[in-house]
Amino acid sequence: AQKVTQAQTEISVVEKEDVTLDCVYETRDTTYYLFWYKQPPSGELVFLIRRNSFDEQNEISGRYSWNFQKSTSSFNFTITASQVVDSAVYFCALSDYSGGYQKVTFGTGTKLQVIP
Amino acid sequence: DAGVTQSPTHLIKTRGQQVTLRCSPKSGHDTVSWYQQALGQGPQFIFQYYEEEERQRGNFPDRFSGHQFPNYSSELNVNALLLGDSALYLCASSGYRGGEVGVGANVLTFGAGSRLTVL
Repeated sequence: AQKVTQAQTEISVVEKEDVTLDCVYETRDTTYYLFWYKQPPSGELVFLIRRNSFDEQNEISGRYSWNFQKSTSSFNFTITASQVVDSAVYFCALSDYSGGYQKVTFGTGTKLQVIP
Repeated sequence: DAGVTQSPTHLIKTRGQQVTLRCSPKSGHDTVSWYQQALGQGPQFIFQYYEEEERQRGNFPDRFSGHQFPNYSSELNVNALLLGDSALYLCASSGYRGGEVGVGANVLTFGAGSRLTVL
């Protein structure tokens, strides 16, 4: 069975600090995809990044970077020089091709508060 | 390009009542998934519709049912409401008409949700 664990429920940082959000996943599949979504107070989840299980290259996009380590089943997300607009709940998600259809499992989320 | 639209945005019901939530997918998407998000929790998968059929279902009772129309829009119905049904209901669309490539890789596009309060 799929499982996604985000052990950090809430994190508070002061603006311009770096922050890392942790994500650990479990799956028996060899082919799967990992996602990060951001949920601002408005409620709509916004897609940030997708990685497939065969691509362990880390990725940087502006102030965001992701560290995928298959050996530890982790897919961590770092925000560099955090800003107030980064305040939101961040979800890690695992997707596989279960029974011929996509099945997505979300973690419980990490609420990030960036204090000015 | 319109994203996923959901209605109503907020509603209040009493226990035992029935509710219908509506969703229009993003243009070009043909698959609709519904999620329930309780306060402080991650989205929980309810079911998924494709070609007007339910093709996957999460661990939710039969009180939760749905429908997909020929224009790909969808409804979520919940009967005999319980206090525990109070949550944000999210609709997500994915896929592309004419076939999907790398289904497991599909990015879900979410609506802003319908917040249901059961009193």
